Amino acid sequence: DAGVTQSPTHLIKTRGQHVTLRCSPISGHKSVSWYQQVLGQGPQFIFQYYEKEERGRGNFPDRFSARQFPNYSSELNVNALLLGDSALYLCASSLVGDRTEAFFGQGTRLTVV
Amino acid sequence: SQQGEEDPQALSIQEGENATMNCSYKTSINNLQWYRQNSGRGLVHLILIRSNEREKHSGRLRVTLDTSKKSSSLLITASRAADTASYFCATVGPSGSARQLTFGSGTQLTVLP
Repeated sequence: DAGVTQSPTHLIKTRGQHVTLRCSPISGHKSVSWYQQVLGQGPQFIFQYYEKEERGRGNFPDRFSARQFPNYSSELNVNALLLGDSALYLCASSLVGDRTEAFFGQGTRLTVV
Repeated sequence: SQQGEEDPQALSIQEGENATMNCSYKTSINNLQWYRQNSGRGLVHLILIRSNEREKHSGRLRVTLDTSKKSSSLLITASRAADTASYFCATVGPSGSARQLTFGSGTQLTVLP
């Protein structure tokens, strides 16, 4: 079975541009979460989506938005990119109920220049 | 912001030795999880311990949890070169919103052959 897949794997953008990152969860997983990991730090929670609705949001500016599609895949959008947005963006999917293990994709490495 | 700190930030040991990493957190939790990350890529779930548990084992891994001290430790026994990675603890809050993990700052483990 395929794991969580993210695209693209690497991306270089210029300050002020917009970026869209994509995530496909494990088949059967209806919950998708997004995390930002700056070099040398642990991941920080950005969003959680379940059944196409936002169920949680971390301390990130409104430039960050996301959505979940009927097939449970998800997009993370970042507008007006700043140099500080350079990071590894991780997507995680999970089952609902008592299962609390999160399965992570390999991430998208975003560099803003 | 990070939930807490991990100690040490970096650990270097010889193959066959045991490795112990510690994690402290700040708020009440439903459970605490440990993840491994190779070379800044995706995270892999290692083990989960619930707030009413004190110790858990999985293969060469042993996790302890002390909720009175808000701390946890991960012990890797008989370490191998392949265990070289970054290790993160992550907490889930009392509401059990399992898809919103709060990560520590991580320990970089190097196992020398």
